[in-house]
Amino acid sequence: GEDVEQSLFLSVREGDSSVINCTYTDSSSTYLYWYKQEPGAGLQLLTYIFSNMDMKQDQRLTVLLNKKDKHLSLRIADTQTGDSAIYFCARTIYNTDKLIFGTGTRLQVFP
Amino acid sequence: NAGVMQNPRHLVRRRGQEARLRCSPMKGHSHVYWYRQLPEEGLKFMVYLQKENIIDESGMPKERFSAEFPKEGPSILRIQQVVRGDSAAYFCASSATGGARETQYFGPGTRLLVL
Repeated sequence: GEDVEQSLFLSVREGDSSVINCTYTDSSSTYLYWYKQEPGAGLQLLTYIFSNMDMKQDQRLTVLLNKKDKHLSLRIADTQTGDSAIYFCARTIYNTDKLIFGTGTRLQVFP
Repeated sequence: NAGVMQNPRHLVRRRGQEARLRCSPMKGHSHVYWYRQLPEEGLKFMVYLQKENIIDESGMPKERFSAEFPKEGPSILRIQQVVRGDSAAYFCASSATGGARETQYFGPGTRLLVL
């Protein structure tokens, strides 16, 4: 199937780390992405990982991929109030061009 | 380099009217994708186009919806005889070439409200 699942909400204190999780069902995924959507705005690409990688780090962002469990996570270090948004994981399927999106995780950062 | 542009940003239509949504891809991009986001949901793929060609329309409703990407000008998503269930945010994305390895860059979206 094409399902991509995420938890709906995450609340963290400013300065703590946030971990947003995503699971998918199709093992043919090739590229996996994390997008950020602020209220009323479009999607901003944060980072992506190839399916043959286990980890990718980009400044405050760390992506971990567990292919065996079909689990993807995004860790945001030193979370700031400006990180409050909805975070979508997405994947492509081998030999197609469309992105399959998760349901989104709403991250709330409080002081 | 301007990003993906969409207009209008907000569109209000009465039931039965037509909605036309426009998308100008990033400079140098010839591949366009349309996605729909219903309230409190993730984005769902609708259609993928290259210049003058529809490549994948597996996510398009069979009736009332059509899309084009002419040789000149923006891509157009057209919804005829709109119904309340069409109320959603419609996002356009573009990429330089097709394929799963190409990153898609998204526009700000058009928020359609059907009264």
